[in-house]
Amino acid sequence: KQEVTQIPAALSVPEGENLVLNCSFTDSAIYNLQWFRQDPGKGLTSLLLIQSSQREQTSGRLNASLDKSSGRSTLYIAASQPGDSATYLCAVNWNAGNMLTFGGGTRLMVKP
Amino acid sequence: DTEVTQTPKHLVMGMTNKKSLKCEQHMGHRAMYWYKQKAKKPPELMFVYSYEKLSINESVPSRFSPECPNSSLLNLHLHALQPEDSALYLCASSQEGTGYEQYFGPGTRLTVT
Repeated sequence: KQEVTQIPAALSVPEGENLVLNCSFTDSAIYNLQWFRQDPGKGLTSLLLIQSSQREQTSGRLNASLDKSSGRSTLYIAASQPGDSATYLCAVNWNAGNMLTFGGGTRLMVKP
Repeated sequence: DTEVTQTPKHLVMGMTNKKSLKCEQHMGHRAMYWYKQKAKKPPELMFVYSYEKLSINESVPSRFSPECPNSSLLNLHLHALQPEDSALYLCASSQEGTGYEQYFGPGTRLTVT
């Protein structure tokens, strides 16, 4: 069964810390992987999309890496800020379309 | 413009009501999606439309009826819902094909009483 797992479910860090969020998936034959941010009660904001042929993508303080062989992706957030507090979701596309399977998310709190 | 809009933002309906959720995008995307998200859970795919035709129905009960009247609009018609259907309903869109980024709307918070 194709599954996506995010551990830990919750993370609390002091402001300014660099941090890594983890995403693992059971089947390495992915088309792409997308990282999202979700604020409470809101929709999803796309952060980064990594294609299966790519190793990493960067946007500002965010860097996402992909290691298909080990079934892992990480989202690195540099110099965290209280405004980064949100739930971060990774989603994998295994199909010849764009159907996404989501992980359970990591709820991040950055304390001032 | 990478915006997907959804109306209404909040909806409260009784179990005998009929209501509709609306979603709109003007990015020229030909794939549109409905997801359901329960509290503290990840989104779950309900329906996929490709070129205005329903391509995927993830075994969703018939009390949910999707409609894609044109390439920019996606509706979700609701009838005889149950309290357990209360959730955040998210619409998304992407270019048709494989490997494209999905863009999500802000969602409609539905409460069934």
